[in-house]
Amino acid sequence: QSVLTQPPSVSGAPGQRVTISCTGSSSNIGAGYDVHWYRQLPGTVPRLLMYGNTKRPSGVPDRFSGSKSGTSASLAITGLQAEDEADYYCQSYDSSLIYVFGTGTKVTVL
Amino acid sequence: QITLKESGPTLVKPTQTLTLTCTFSGFSLSTSGVGVVWIRQPPGRALEWLGIIYWNDDKRYSPSLKSRLTITKDTSKNQVVLTLTNMDPVDTATYYCARRSREYPFDYWGQGTLVTVSS
Repeated sequence: QSVLTQPPSVSGAPGQRVTISCTGSSSNIGAGYDVHWYRQLPGTVPRLLMYGNTKRPSGVPDRFSGSKSGTSASLAITGLQAEDEADYYCQSYDSSLIYVFGTGTKVTVL
Repeated sequence: QITLKESGPTLVKPTQTLTLTCTFSGFSLSTSGVGVVWIRQPPGRALEWLGIIYWNDDKRYSPSLKSRLTITKDTSKNQVVLTLTNMDPVDTATYYCARRSREYPFDYWGQGTLVTVSS
């Protein structure tokens, strides 16, 4: 059961900028817990894309950026490429001592 | 090199108990701050966090599965075991285990194992 809400889909043309929102509540994102992002290419295992709201693991290009404000967070992809077509999930921690995922967003490159 | 791999049955019958093992290497579950999580993904659907076991044997479970789910560890064997009772077709999913550390959230994942619940 997803506690964080994401748009089902976003799309953009190659080279454009898209953003994915992740809306939580006062018990998770709003409580100050970090937001992380995962990317799941078709038919593959999810991989960590962004952690600690704004940090990129080694190997993730700086076309990806994260932000957080209040009870929401966002992932931005600039210079959209065909290889960015994937499902994206946000994830955080909750005051009830559990982890929570977002509903997932499918990014389509037009 | 950190690796995790899930193993267990691919098909279980309704009402049966599912037991999956996550065998890992490249890190220790006795290191402070480390945990192993279980996550599942029904076909075509979103990721769902199931539970976690920490280095100190603390365990947390998803409220929706708490009555059916148990996670244990064998540090000497580098294994974490998930037990889910009273399986139902809605539990059909790919089950993943992943590592959690103080520095990173779920940074290493297993390949996942598809479990189908059907009579």
